Amino acid sequence: RKEVEQDPGPFNVPEGATVAFNCTYSNSASQSFFWYRQDCRKEPKLLMSVYSSGNEDGRFTAQLNRASQYISLLIRDSKLSDSATYLCVVAKVLNYQLIWGAGTKLIIKP
Amino acid sequence: EPEVTQTPSHQVTQMGQEVILRCVPISNHLYFYWYRQILGQKVEFLVSFYNNEISEKSEIFDDQFSVERPDGSNFTLKIRSTKLEDSAMYFCASSPALARGGEQYFGPGTRLTVT
Repeated sequence: RKEVEQDPGPFNVPEGATVAFNCTYSNSASQSFFWYRQDCRKEPKLLMSVYSSGNEDGRFTAQLNRASQYISLLIRDSKLSDSATYLCVVAKVLNYQLIWGAGTKLIIKP
Repeated sequence: EPEVTQTPSHQVTQMGQEVILRCVPISNHLYFYWYRQILGQKVEFLVSFYNNEISEKSEIFDDQFSVERPDGSNFTLKIRSTKLEDSAMYFCASSPALARGGEQYFGPGTRLTVT
């Protein structure tokens, strides 16, 4: 089993819709979780950290389910500018070495 | 807003040559990282650096690679005897503190092409 797994997509979603994707991780001792976004041929950019209680930042909501070992990202009222690849990132327990998922590609259509 | 910078943006080199990729992390950050991303593939961790020494490295980071912080601002990745499969985008990142180690700020990357 891969350390961090994501559905590669692409998810084709109409503008204004709500979209959600999950990411599963294999190490139950993982402590820290993040969503990054990467535009085509650009650097990854931190979108949000994922806290145990879940957190929301505007149209974005991140959830952590430790029992099932997955994190989720929900995007409400999607915009054309949300089109990107969303990378799930899990930090190893002791040294904060980040383990990156391969990403989920999201395409928002007008 | 402070940002990580990288030079050059694109480097073309011949197989067997040495290349040095340069990064200037955000000035008050303490942790520095190199990643690579082969076109169409996922981001891969290479090495982390703290307090002037390597704190963690991946299997990819073998004797062909080395990192250095030659002064108070630059952070370099040296690749000796480049191979065709080293062609990739190389990203530098920095983080303010270990407690926020997952919150990393990336530079725009250097595209390395080995011919």
